[in-house]
Amino acid sequence: GAGVSQSPRYKVAKRGQDVALRCDPISGHVSLFWYQQALGQGPEFLTYFQNEAQLDKSGLPSDRFFAERPEGSVSTLKIQRTQQEDSAVYLCASSFTPGTPAGEQYFGPGTRLTVT
Amino acid sequence: AQSVSQHNHHVILSEAASLELGCNYSYGGTVNLFWYVQYPGQHLQLLLKYFSGDPLVKGIKGFEAEFIKSKFSFNLRKPSVQWSDTAEYFCAVNEIQGYSTLTFGKGTMLLVSP
Repeated sequence: GAGVSQSPRYKVAKRGQDVALRCDPISGHVSLFWYQQALGQGPEFLTYFQNEAQLDKSGLPSDRFFAERPEGSVSTLKIQRTQQEDSAVYLCASSFTPGTPAGEQYFGPGTRLTVT
Repeated sequence: AQSVSQHNHHVILSEAASLELGCNYSYGGTVNLFWYVQYPGQHLQLLLKYFSGDPLVKGIKGFEAEFIKSKFSFNLRKPSVQWSDTAEYFCAVNEIQGYSTLTFGKGTMLLVSP
C-alpha cells in the first residue's frame, strides 16, 4: 500500500480483556516502531523491530504488553488483561533505513484503544 | 535520557500572524531534530528535520526551524500562518547513534482563526 496502515482504527475493550492491534508497514521497510500516545501527550516509544528481530522493547510498560513481527513485515501489538491506564492511541511507524537515526519514520493513523 | 519540552500547549492566532513555537531538548550527545505535524483526522507527518550543516532548515508549506546548539533549541517559525495550518505540532529528537527511536514533546495545538 501507499502508507502505513493500522487496524482496527478504534477498539473498545472491557477491563481484563486481551486486545491485538495490527500494523502493516510500507512494503520493504526494515524498521518498525510502536509508540503509545496518551491524551494530551506526545507519542512515547514502546518497541522497535529490525525485520523480524525485536531489538528494543525497553518502552513496553509492563509484561502485559507483547509485540511480534514474525515475518519481518506485519506486526502485532498485544495487550493482555487490559487496564484503564492502557487507554491511548497506539501508533505504528516504519522506516526503510535499517536502524539509521536519520531515517524518516512514516506513521500510520493509529489505533485508539479505550478500556472501560 | 532525552527529553523534549514544548513551551506552549495551545496557541491561537489570526490568519497572517507570525508563528513561533518553542522547543528545547535535553541530551548530552549529538541529536537529530524533527518537527512533525498532525492535521485534524490525519497521520503524523514530517514537517522538517535537521541532521547537520546549516542550522536554519526549511520544510514544507513555508515552515522553517532554527537549531541553536548553545540553547538546545529548535524553534519552529512561519512568517504568515493560514487557516489550513491549524494542527498539532510535535518537536522530536533522536540520537545519532542507535535505532532512531524518536523522543517527542507533548505537542502544541495551533488554532488559526480566519
